[in-house]
Amino acid sequence: DTGVSQDPRHKITKRGQNVTFRCDPISEHNRLYWYRQTLGQGPEFLTYFQNEAQLEKSRLLSDRFSAERPKGSFSTLEIQRTEQGDSAMYLCASSLDMNTEAFFGQGTRLTVV
Amino acid sequence: QKEVEQDPGPLSVPEGAIVSLNCTYSNSAFQYFMWYRQYSRKGPELLMYTYSSGNKEDGRFTAQVDKSSKYISLFIRDSQPSDSATYLCAPDPHRDNYGQNFVFGPGTRLSVLP
Repeated sequence: DTGVSQDPRHKITKRGQNVTFRCDPISEHNRLYWYRQTLGQGPEFLTYFQNEAQLEKSRLLSDRFSAERPKGSFSTLEIQRTEQGDSAMYLCASSLDMNTEAFFGQGTRLTVV
Repeated sequence: QKEVEQDPGPLSVPEGAIVSLNCTYSNSAFQYFMWYRQYSRKGPELLMYTYSSGNKEDGRFTAQVDKSSKYISLFIRDSQPSDSATYLCAPDPHRDNYGQNFVFGPGTRLSVLP
C-alpha cells in the first residue's frame, strides 16, 4: 500500500464551475477525513467518515460542498459553483480507527480563476 | 483564544543547530498531541505523538509537554537542511473524545541553512 492517494494533484477551474476530487485511503482504514488548507495556515477540518457514514461536518462546509464515501472505501469531495475563495489545498487523511494516528495524502491544489 | 497557537516564523537556523519549536493550547483536557511535518506543496506527514506525562524521543527529534503551562515543544538536534519544512502541532481528539477532528495550529516554518 502506498498510502493515501488523492486525484488530481492540481486543478484549475473557472469561477462557477463544479469540481470533484477523489481520495483513496489506506486499505482497511475505516476513518476518512477531508481538510482544507490555505497558504500560511494549518489544515482546517471539513468533514469525516466512519466507513460509509458521514459523521461530522464543519460549518466551513457550505451547501455548495458535498462529500461521499459510498462503499466505505474511496471518497469524493464535490464543490459546486466554485468561488475564488475556494482556492486552497484540499487534504484527505485516513486512520484505522479512532485510536490510531491519521495519515495524509499529498492533497489536491485547487485554483479558481 | 484559539485552541492551538504557534509562532508562524519563519525560523532560520544554521545547519547543526538545535531547534526548538513550540506550541500552546487552551484546552486543559487535551492529553495527546501530534507533530506533523509538511514540506512545501506536500501533505502533512506524521512525525511524532506526544503524551502529556513526559518526553518522547525518536532519533534527532524530542517531543515534550508541559501540562502546567499548556506548552508543547519539539526539539531537533543536529538540524539538517532536509528538516526545512513547516511543523504543525495538533491535539489528538480521538483519545480525548474531544470531537472527532484534528485541530491544527498554523505551523512554524523552519529553514535550516547549509
